[in-house]
Amino acid sequence: GNSVTQMEGPVTLSEEAFLTINCTYTATGYPSLFWYVQYPGEGLQLLLKATKADDKGSNKGFEATYRKETTSFHLEKGSVQVSDSAVYFCALKASNTGKLIFGQGTTLQVKP
Amino acid sequence: EAGVAQSPRYKIIEKRQSVAFWCNPISGHATLYWYQQILGQGPKLLIQFQNNGVVDDSQLPKDRFSAERLKGVDSTLKIQPAKLEDSAVYLCASSLSQEENSPLHFGNGTRLTVT
Repeated sequence: GNSVTQMEGPVTLSEEAFLTINCTYTATGYPSLFWYVQYPGEGLQLLLKATKADDKGSNKGFEATYRKETTSFHLEKGSVQVSDSAVYFCALKASNTGKLIFGQGTTLQVKP
Repeated sequence: EAGVAQSPRYKIIEKRQSVAFWCNPISGHATLYWYQQILGQGPKLLIQFQNNGVVDDSQLPKDRFSAERLKGVDSTLKIQPAKLEDSAVYLCASSLSQEENSPLHFGNGTRLTVT
């Protein structure tokens, strides 16, 4: 079946450090891939998406590239800020069901 | 545009009591979802509606959970009777369609505590 696996957290970085949060997926067909972010006390927000292989999604300095050959969608940011502290969820939306399946989430803590 | 609205924001009940959650999706969104998010885990889909029809309720514990979307707009999720393990945040989301490139928009959720 379809599933998403994320690296375990928490990830703790200093401000301006480089961020990578790994995400791999298993899916039949050609899913779309998403990163959602959940800031403390807030709801889930769409951060970025990619709908086909080799697409790069980007937003707020974050990027992720849809890699079909490695079934991955790693999230990266060149220089993190304290305000990026949140829980990040990788997700896929199956092409045949419209069902959004989430990974377990990765907590990012950025220290000044 | 207005976002997905959910109420109440918080609810505390005792086990074996009943509770209901309400969701108003973004106007024009045909697909509505209810997710359960247990602390420290990713959201898990409970039920998916396309207009007022159920598309997927395979993960809904039907002996105690029920949901409806009678006019294809608002939706309610009910738990009767509640168990301790139902303590979680219940998220409602909507999307324009079921197509894979149509993202979900989430409400702020209802945090349920069962004591």
